[in-house]
Amino acid sequence: DAGVIQSPRHEVTEMGQEVTLRCKPISGHDYLFWYRQTMMRGLELLIYFNNNVPIDDSGMPEDRFSAKMPNASFSTLKIQPSEPRDSAVYFCASTQGQGRVGYTFGSGTRLTVV
Amino acid sequence: AQSVTQPDIHITVSEGASLELRCNYSYGATPYLFWYVQSPGQGLQLLLKYFSGDTLVQGIKGFEAEFKRSQSSFNLRKPSVHWSDAAEYFCAVGNNDMRFGAGTRLTVKP
Repeated sequence: DAGVIQSPRHEVTEMGQEVTLRCKPISGHDYLFWYRQTMMRGLELLIYFNNNVPIDDSGMPEDRFSAKMPNASFSTLKIQPSEPRDSAVYFCASTQGQGRVGYTFGSGTRLTVV
Repeated sequence: AQSVTQPDIHITVSEGASLELRCNYSYGATPYLFWYVQSPGQGLQLLLKYFSGDTLVQGIKGFEAEFKRSQSSFNLRKPSVHWSDAAEYFCAVGNNDMRFGAGTRLTVKP
């Protein structure tokens, strides 16, 4: 298995532009998570899906952030419009069942908004 | 609400020395507890996990952790540290909404 695949690895964009981050979970995993990592706030859970349905989006910072999971093998996290304070590393993770086995993380997308 | 505290932001140990990284948690029920390691520019890799049974759990790369309910702790240990263990270590609690500690950065001196 190729693991959790995220793209792009790095993204540099100008303030106000739309940014879309992509994630392909491990086949057979029914939970998918989006995390954001910054020096100041550490790892924050943004949203998670179960069987493609958003379950908890209470961590999404504001309406500029949205996430979708149109099928079991693909999810997107969109920021529109982007702001410099959105600069961070965004991780996608997936797991099977209720997470007792732990999560498998992707390599992350480093987003820089200038 | 569940939360995790890692009291040590940065720890430096000599290669070959023993290591203990501290983790305290707050959780309403029997917790699922995890330790992850993150190398620079990489994602997080699961080292070990606990959710029931023997309170001393073994993980990959020679790491182990002990769950102590009375102290709400889940400390990570390794008897002899290798230079390749230098990384950031995260303790986490939960299942479907895992929460992470702030991390402990480990530096290994030659």
